[in-house]
Amino acid sequence: GAGVSQSPSNKVTEKGKDVELRCDPISGHTALYWYRQSLGQGLEFLIYFQGNSAPDKSGLPSDRFSAERTGGSVSTLTIQRTQQEDSAVYLCASSLAHGGASGNTIYFGEGSWLTVV
Amino acid sequence: GNSVTQMEGPVTLSEEAFLTINCTYTATGYPSLFWYVQYPGEGLQLLLKATKADDKGSNKGFEATYRKETTSFHLEKGSVQVSDSAVYFCALSGNNNDMRFGAGTRLTVKP
Repeated sequence: GAGVSQSPSNKVTEKGKDVELRCDPISGHTALYWYRQSLGQGLEFLIYFQGNSAPDKSGLPSDRFSAERTGGSVSTLTIQRTQQEDSAVYLCASSLAHGGASGNTIYFGEGSWLTVV
Repeated sequence: GNSVTQMEGPVTLSEEAFLTINCTYTATGYPSLFWYVQYPGEGLQLLLKATKADDKGSNKGFEATYRKETTSFHLEKGSVQVSDSAVYFCALSGNNNDMRFGAGTRLTVKP
């Protein structure tokens, strides 16, 4: 597609339920990123994929969070046993992966708004 | 690891005032530096970038110069407008293509 596509755009779930958030990056972009933005907060790095592998999982806040990417394209972020503090906007972004020195721009999706009640 | 520290907000200015939002970074190697902007109700979008020391990125009247000696990438605009009200994020892309963002600075420009 033309841009990074995320679904669902809004999700309300009950505490304790599992949720899956989907990201479809820009075609041809091999790098994919997940961030979390809580109300009034900055961008919290969660995980980064280069192709299908995740060289940096350091940002995942707990073992309830996991992400996968198959076929070098679509990625799914899964939150198990959701808690109220998981409520946030989950942002996906993608870029061409030629390394930092080339300054590839990353492009963001509109985000998935998650509310845990 | 790589990290970005930017000036805390919120920042409130009158129209036509001079703007500076400070950003410093910690990184190994030679990162690229970015400013992203998030206007109210919209997604994040690139404002400007610089890929090597002494480069100046510019867009929409905003400028930032990549200063390796001070590890800084401060954002400046000579005369802000109401339409510049947004949250501004400084970001860094390292040698492994990871992207790290600062906490964001909310700017409000009053007429």
